[in-house]
Amino acid sequence: SQKIEQNSEALNIQEGKTATLTCNYTNYSPAYLQWYRQDPGRGPVFLLLIRENEKEKRKERLKVTFDTTLKQSLFHITASQPADSATYLCAPDSGGYQKVTFGTGTKLQVIP
Amino acid sequence: NAGVTQTPKFQVLKTGQSMTLQCAQDMNHNSMYWYRQDPGMGLRLIYYSASEGTTDKGEVPNGYNVSRLNKREFSLRLESAAPSQTSVYFCASSDQGQGGYNEQFFGPGTRLTVL
Repeated sequence: SQKIEQNSEALNIQEGKTATLTCNYTNYSPAYLQWYRQDPGRGPVFLLLIRENEKEKRKERLKVTFDTTLKQSLFHITASQPADSATYLCAPDSGGYQKVTFGTGTKLQVIP
Repeated sequence: NAGVTQTPKFQVLKTGQSMTLQCAQDMNHNSMYWYRQDPGMGLRLIYYSASEGTTDKGEVPNGYNVSRLNKREFSLRLESAAPSQTSVYFCASSDQGQGGYNEQFFGPGTRLTVL
């Protein structure tokens, strides 16, 4: 069956450092991979999408990589700030009218 | 432009009671979804509607029913609530982006407790 793995333990990093979150998936080949941010008590918010033929995608301080051979995506936040503290969800997307599947998320805490 | 709205925000039910969670979107999206989110389990898809007039089961449909009332509205009904249905429920909508991806827009959630 399809499986998505994200670091289940919280990630604590110092302000100004780069945070790296990992998403591994098995038993399917998504055409896209999405990343969402979720704050406590709120619904997830879309951040970035990367296509299977893209190795890397950037948006401001965010960078996502997608390795279809390793079946892994890495999500980086550079120069992290306390406001970046949230849970980050990865979501492999098969495209078309297929449903998107979400990982359980990694909680990031940026310490001032 | 309100995006995705959900009502109610909070609800407490007794075992065996029924209720309907309402969801509406104003983005003219074709697809709508209902998820539940439990600690350690992540978002799990209950039902989805790829387009107006169609609904399909997701990963955890038992104990729920849905209605796609029109393109804007997608409701989730619990006919006989059970404590195992205590959760946070999110509605989402999407439309195929250029190339076919499905960026989803989520509502604020309904926090349901079943006693």
